Amino acid sequence: GQNIDQPTEMTATEGAIVQINCTYQTSGFNGLFWYQQHAGEAPTFLSYNVLDGLEEKGRFSSFLSRSKGYSYLLLKELQMKDSASYLCAVHDQTGANNLFFGTGTRLTVIP
Amino acid sequence: DTEVTQTPKHLVMGMTNKKSLKCEQHMGHRAMYWYKQKAKKPPELMFVYSYEKLSINESVPSRFSPECPNSSLLNLHLHALQPEDSALYLCASSQVASGDYTGELFFGEGSRLTVL
Repeated sequence: GQNIDQPTEMTATEGAIVQINCTYQTSGFNGLFWYQQHAGEAPTFLSYNVLDGLEEKGRFSSFLSRSKGYSYLLLKELQMKDSASYLCAVHDQTGANNLFFGTGTRLTVIP
Repeated sequence: DTEVTQTPKHLVMGMTNKKSLKCEQHMGHRAMYWYKQKAKKPPELMFVYSYEKLSINESVPSRFSPECPNSSLLNLHLHALQPEDSALYLCASSQVASGDYTGELFFGEGSRLTVL
């Protein structure tokens, strides 16, 4: 089975940096995704980590520690449009491949 | 074309109705998924099709019946639904559904279902 946890809500100021944490327990870990979802819209892909370390993509970075079952998404130079839900999803290879989502973190960026 | 297209965008149905949700992609992806998402909750996996064959059914009630006519199309047939089935139903596709890397999932905008 899978157990994926994230904080429910976070608030940060425009221009600041915010870190969204995700912890997971899964029997067949094969990678971790971060998705962004604006209200009423489909989730969109942000990043993918399968090896330990930091992946940087513009203002967004994602970190993974497989031994600790831990990942974070780092958002720099926050903009108002970054207000959205951020979903941590674990790729579980047990049986057949599929993607299980965490509870999601609702980020509100304030001026 | 990096789109996953879902129809209808909105559907209202009674508990005795039979309806279908449709999903289409033309990215050459061989894996397609149905997710259910309730308000302020993350998407929950329902079904996975890999190479047009059902590979995962996450203990979904039989009133939901998936169908994959070909590699570009995915349907979800609905019959005798309950009000608690009201949700956003998301379709997604990815490059492969076996092996080391699924590839990122591309999501459609969803079909918002209301069961009266």
